[in-house]
Amino acid sequence: DAGVIQSPRHEVTEMGQEVTLRCKPISGHDYLFWYRQTMMRGLELLIYFNNNVPIDDSGMPEDRFSAKMPNASFSTLKIQPSEPRDSAVYFCASSLGTTIQETQYFGPGTRLLVL
Amino acid sequence: KQEVTQIPAALSVPEGENLVLNCSFTDSAIYNLQWFRQDPGKGLTSLLLIQSSQREQTSGRLNASLDKSSGRSTLYIAASQPGDSATYLCAPWGNRDDKIIFGKGTRLHILP
Repeated sequence: DAGVIQSPRHEVTEMGQEVTLRCKPISGHDYLFWYRQTMMRGLELLIYFNNNVPIDDSGMPEDRFSAKMPNASFSTLKIQPSEPRDSAVYFCASSLGTTIQETQYFGPGTRLLVL
Repeated sequence: KQEVTQIPAALSVPEGENLVLNCSFTDSAIYNLQWFRQDPGKGLTSLLLIQSSQREQTSGRLNASLDKSSGRSTLYIAASQPGDSATYLCAPWGNRDDKIIFGKGTRLHILP
């Protein structure tokens, strides 16, 4: 398996623009997670899905952030409008199992810079 | 709210030494605790997962222990190698709020 795939790997955009980050989890994994990593705050869980259904989005910082999982092999994290403070590395991870507390497999991340 | 602290924040040791990375957490109500490795510019790789009912887990030269009641976990690396250089993060999964919280990590540098 190719592992968790994220695109793009790098994104540079201007404040106010819409940003869409994409993730393809490992085939057969039931859970998908979106994280954000910054120097100041470390790694934070934004939202996670179970069988394509959002379970907990309490980590989403603002209404400008939204995430979808239209099918088992694809998820998006959208920021609209983007702001400079959104600059961070965004990771997607997936896990297999009947419970949420299983080993997670991370993608390589998307490095976002908002100017 | 769960808080996770990792000490030290950075560590440099000569190759071949055994070393211990520390992780402490404030809420002992956890399902499990994971140790991850992150290489520069890369994602995280899960190293070990310890269930709350377990005391330790081993994988090769790595051994992770868990003392849930005192809110502590350690990652022991035996016979360190330059390839072990990376940032190591611990992450307990809490069962009060059903969330995983990550520490800031320990940046490890093994000197050849």
